[in-house]
Amino acid sequence: NAGVTQTPKFRVLKTGQSMTLLCAQDMNHEYMYWYRQDPGMGLRLIHYSVGEGTTAKGEVPDGYNVSRLKKQNFLLGLESAAPSQTSVYFCASSYLGSPLHFGNGTRLTVT
Amino acid sequence: AQKITQTQPGMFVQEKEAVTLDCTYDTSDPSYGLFWYKQPSSGEMIFLIYQGSYDQQNATEGRYSLNFQKARKSANLVISASQLGDSAMYFCAMREALYNNNDMRFGAGTRLTVKP
Repeated sequence: NAGVTQTPKFRVLKTGQSMTLLCAQDMNHEYMYWYRQDPGMGLRLIHYSVGEGTTAKGEVPDGYNVSRLKKQNFLLGLESAAPSQTSVYFCASSYLGSPLHFGNGTRLTVT
Repeated sequence: AQKITQTQPGMFVQEKEAVTLDCTYDTSDPSYGLFWYKQPSSGEMIFLIYQGSYDQQNATEGRYSLNFQKARKSANLVISASQLGDSAMYFCAMREALYNNNDMRFGAGTRLTVKP
């Protein structure tokens, strides 16, 4: 079982560039999440989705957009990258109330 | 507002000893779940243990147990008989059933180092 797959694993962007992170899950989970992890701050929720076609803002949504056109995919977009968005990004999925299943993370550096 | 607080940025424990990692939380939701995750140096997030707010007994999973004190709003993780492979970051997390639409919020984490 693949579980939750994130692509790419690493990326370096220049300030102002855009990119999309892809998350795919094969567990038929309704809920999907995007987190960022920064030293000393744990994981902070960026956006999440409670089902296909729906998205909602988390704790730190500014500078990011998301889309969930298909149940199995959750895309995270950065329209104009900033150095403050240098981080490790995790995607996760779950059923209602169940533990989150995480992808292996994407390390993004914005120079 | 921070809902999950882990006050120990780093902890050390001798191999084979027990260690307690602290977690306090804040919620007005009567129905919630508490989770602990492990993140080894390789970076993946591994689910360890879950405690529901209505569970009468403390959760246990092998060497992991959760010391749940509802009135104090604490959910400490106890690792018994520590092993070198337990060295990792540990995160406490909470999901509220009524508020926040099933999202999960995390604490800042505790880095555990097991000494041989």
